[in-house]
Amino acid sequence: GDSVTQMEGPVTLSEEAFLTINCTYTATGYPSLFWYVQYPGEGLQLLLKATKADDKGSNKGFEATYRKETTSFHLEKGSVQVSDSAVYFCALSGNTGRRALTFGSGTRLQVQP
Amino acid sequence: NAGVTQTPKFQVLKTGQSMTLQCAQDMNHEYMSWYRQDPGMGLRLIHYSVGAGITDQGEVPNGYNVSRSTTEDFPLRLLSAAPSQTSVYFCASSGPERNTEAFFGQGTRLTVV
Repeated sequence: GDSVTQMEGPVTLSEEAFLTINCTYTATGYPSLFWYVQYPGEGLQLLLKATKADDKGSNKGFEATYRKETTSFHLEKGSVQVSDSAVYFCALSGNTGRRALTFGSGTRLQVQP
Repeated sequence: NAGVTQTPKFQVLKTGQSMTLQCAQDMNHEYMSWYRQDPGMGLRLIHYSVGAGITDQGEVPNGYNVSRSTTEDFPLRLLSAAPSQTSVYFCASSGPERNTEAFFGQGTRLTVV
């Protein structure tokens, strides 16, 4: 079945540091890929998405590129801020009629001033 | 803009009690789902619905029931609560396309003692 693997956290960075959170997936066909973010005490909200190979999703300075050849969708940001502290989830929507999202385990990011 | 509304936000139950977690959305979405979030495990699908009157099981359905009598509402029932059901529960809804954004409620934190 479908699965998503993302790097363990927590990731602790200083403000203005470069961020990479790795995400790889297993799925048949061409899934849609997503990054969701969860701020403390809140639900998940969509950060960015990509729906086909080589697509780049971007939002709020974050970027991720859909790499079919390496089955990856790594999240990057050039300069993190304290306000980026949150839990980040990589997810995919596969080709079944179920339409469910398959999530990775989440990576907690802590940005220190 | 209400989006997806979950109630209650917090709940403590005794083992063996039953309760219903409420979820309502005002976006006229056909697809709704329930997830549970446990530390280190991401979100796992409990049940989902592709429209009023249609529900199906996800990855971890045991101990939970759902029904979908209207497009707006998708309640989750715990039949006889167990400590293993201590978790944070999220309801989500999304539009008809596979690659569209899922909107999440703020979650219900349930503790079973």
